Amino acid sequence: AQKVTQAQTEISVVEKEDVTLDCVYETRDTTYYLFWYKQPPSGELVFLIRRNSFDEQNEISGRYSWNFQKSTSSFNFTITASQVVDSAVYFCALSEASKLTFGKGITLSVRP
Amino acid sequence: KAGVTQTPRYLIKTRGQQVTLSCSPISGHRSVSWYQQTPGQGLQFLFEYFSETQRNKGNFPGRFSGRQFSNSRSEMNVSTLELGDSALYLCASSLWSRGNSYNEQFFGPGTRLTVL
Repeated sequence: AQKVTQAQTEISVVEKEDVTLDCVYETRDTTYYLFWYKQPPSGELVFLIRRNSFDEQNEISGRYSWNFQKSTSSFNFTITASQVVDSAVYFCALSEASKLTFGKGITLSVRP
Repeated sequence: KAGVTQTPRYLIKTRGQQVTLSCSPISGHRSVSWYQQTPGQGLQFLFEYFSETQRNKGNFPGRFSGRQFSNSRSEMNVSTLELGDSALYLCASSLWSRGNSYNEQFFGPGTRLTVL
């Protein structure tokens, strides 16, 4: 069975600090996809990134960066120079056919 | 392009009643998935429909059912509601998924169901 573990439940930082959100996954599939979603207080899940299992290149998008390491089954997400608007719950997810298995989420609070 | 829409946004029902939730996917998206989100269990997959056929199903009792119409719009139904069914129900659409080739899912704002 597929499993996604987000060991951190809540993180609180001061604005402009860098913060890394950890994600560890388990799967027997050789081809799979990993995702990060953001859920602001409004409730809607916002897609951030998709990564397939064959692409271990790190990705940077503005203040966001992702580190995918197949050897440790991790797909970590770093926010550089955090802002108050980054406050949300962040979910890591793993695809299994047409189903997404989500981690429990990490609540990030960015204080001004 | 309009996003995924879900109606109603909020719903209050009593135990034993049944409820139908609606989801309109992004135009051109043929796959619709449903998820239940609760504080205790987190986000859990309910089922996925593609071209009016249920292709995948999560571990939920038969009281939870769904369907998809020819225009890709989807409905989910919960019969004989229980207190534990109180949750945020999220619908997601994607262009397609073929085997292990996967497109990202785009989520709607959800329907918050409260069962009294």
